[in-house]
Amino acid sequence: EVQLVESGGGLVKPGGSLKLSCAASGFAFSSYDMSWVRQTPEKRLEWVAYISSGGGSTYYPDTVKGRFTISRDNAKNTLYLQMSSLKSEDTAMYYCARHPNYGNSYYFDYWGQGTTLTVSS
Amino acid sequence: DIVLTQSPATLSVTPGDSVSLSCRASQSISNNLHWYQQKSHESPRLLIKYASQSISGIPSRFSGSGSGTDFTLSINSVETEDFGMYFCQQSNSWPQTFGGGTKLEIK
Repeated sequence: EVQLVESGGGLVKPGGSLKLSCAASGFAFSSYDMSWVRQTPEKRLEWVAYISSGGGSTYYPDTVKGRFTISRDNAKNTLYLQMSSLKSEDTAMYYCARHPNYGNSYYFDYWGQGTTLTVSS
Repeated sequence: DIVLTQSPATLSVTPGDSVSLSCRASQSISNNLHWYQQKSHESPRLLIKYASQSISGIPSRFSGSGSGTDFTLSINSVETEDFGMYFCQQSNSWPQTFGGGTKLEIK
């Protein structure tokens, strides 16, 4: 059974930093591209980071570029999201999500249960 | 960025009704459009990929259609377990974007 379990969320002051983790199991993690997607309190979904299976390619939207860094440790079956210079608008539930492992498929076939980040003074 | 506009924002229906949810793209995205269901306090679940392709384990009452800029998710005879939020997502170009969602609620 595919499982994605996020952790590391919490309350952070504006300008602060936090690192999220996503532990993967039930599939060959190193063969799959992965992403982080967030859901705002208003329920809007926003993709925030992508990493290829080997970690060699990463993409970010302009809203987080330069502030967020996605990485992975395939030996530990774990995905990470390092977030810095946090703003109130980064407040959201953060999900890790898997992309299918065939040819440039950028939809999400499995999602974790999410971890909540609140940015507030 | 490609903007996806979902309508209606809220749809109130009675179990047994058949419904159609719309997702319109700001520019052509071919068939690179996917649908997700999200029930209260749960994470999203993939329902339909590439506009009309079914997903293993998803009931056959869910179907998708469309290409280019106009897409539809249809639910044939809504069941009580179907109530929740529905989102579309495009993977035609970066950044991947989502629609604002349609809330399917019980009338």
